[in-house]
Amino acid sequence: AQTVTQSQPEMSVQEAETVTLSCTYDTSESDYYLFWYKQPPSRQMILVIRQEAYKQQNATENRFSVNFQKAAKSFSLKISDSQLGDAAMYFCAYWAPSGNEKLTFGTGTRLTIIP
Amino acid sequence: EAGVAQSPRYKIIEKRQSVAFWCNPISGHATLYWYQQILGQGPKLLIQFQNNGVVDDSQLPKDRFSAERLKGVDSTLKIQPAKLEDSAVYLCASSLDRILLYNEQFFGPGTRLTVL
Repeated sequence: AQTVTQSQPEMSVQEAETVTLSCTYDTSESDYYLFWYKQPPSRQMILVIRQEAYKQQNATENRFSVNFQKAAKSFSLKISDSQLGDAAMYFCAYWAPSGNEKLTFGTGTRLTIIP
Repeated sequence: EAGVAQSPRYKIIEKRQSVAFWCNPISGHATLYWYQQILGQGPKLLIQFQNNGVVDDSQLPKDRFSAERLKGVDSTLKIQPAKLEDSAVYLCASSLDRILLYNEQFFGPGTRLTVL
């Protein structure tokens, strides 16, 4: 079964600094997708960034980028130039087109931005 | 484009009572998901619909939980009778079609249920 592990329950960063959130996963699939979702206090989950496993190039979306290490089954999120609006719960998630196609989430990391 | 709508946003009930949650997905989305998110945990899939058919309900506690999507659009999730451990946020999500290679899910704001 696929599992997603986020070992940092809480992180904090000074405004304008850079922070990295960690995620590891376990799977026997070769074709899958990894995601980072953001859940602000209002609770609406928003997709931040996705990575297809077959792509070697790390995904980037403006200030958000990932470090995808397929062999190590690691998928970290880097937030550059942190802003107050980045404060939220961040969930790492896994999905494979085969098998039961279930989106599997980690337990989340609460990110606090210090002004 | 309107997002996924859910109601109510908050609900407080006593244990053994019944409760129902409603979800209206994004127009045209064939796949609808209900998740349970207990405090301090990531969302857990309860049930997945493709149009009005159930794709996966393996983690739905069927002795007390039920869900339907009769016309392939709106969906209702019911708990009867509720237990203390059902206190959670119930999230609804929808996606265009599960058969697509990449199937982004869009989430609603959730319903926070407190069972006393």
